Amino acid sequence: SYELTQPPSVSVSPGQTASITCSGDKLGEKYASWYHQKPGQSPVLVIYQDSKRPSGIPERFSGSNSGNTATLTISGTQAMDEADYYCQAWDSNTAYVVFGGGTKLTVL
Amino acid sequence: EVQLVQSGAEVKKPGESLRISCKGSGYSFASYWITWVRQMPGKGLEWMGRIDPSDSYTNYSPSFQGHVTISADKSISTAYLQWSRLKASDTAMYYCARRGPIPGLYYMDVWGKGTTVTVSS
Repeated sequence: SYELTQPPSVSVSPGQTASITCSGDKLGEKYASWYHQKPGQSPVLVIYQDSKRPSGIPERFSGSNSGNTATLTISGTQAMDEADYYCQAWDSNTAYVVFGGGTKLTVL
Repeated sequence: EVQLVQSGAEVKKPGESLRISCKGSGYSFASYWITWVRQMPGKGLEWMGRIDPSDSYTNYSPSFQGHVTISADKSISTAYLQWSRLKASDTAMYYCARRGPIPGLYYMDVWGKGTTVTVSS
């Protein structure tokens, strides 16, 4: 079955750039989405179709996807960005949705 | 406002049955797939399966196939997730989410607030 791998944790200082990776076999041939989830809250879509931001998501959130790796980049990270981040892709061969294991972003 | 409203928290015993619901509003419910996602305590998101409310076609993750049933009633804009025999390991938060509108893509653009299911003897 298809798998997506994320680092368990990433730390960043306020105002710096955070990068969270998501790896999967030929992931660049699929579309990646990203969600953040704060404690006690539902997930929120922050990036879809590799690099598009939904309405209401700040410009500091960006995404890319190539080869075997998708990357979520948060520029000028703020304390409010501290959350768990999940990547997601759709394996069109099986019609299954796959989530990465999640990355806890800590803003120190 | 587009929203998905989920039913309230449930406490059940092992072996009991359960159905939880997810009601869509503010959009054409039949036009968007509904996905169910499990989150066990302290763990990540797991895709359980999805339904197309227009024709009730479903597909399930192999991890959940045969253990849960996803259904929908488009006349009342509501999707359901049900178990015939709960296990303690079903204790989790369950989210419903709407698939986004772009053909050929599968991402979840609207999420419900979740339903907590606790299974304990």
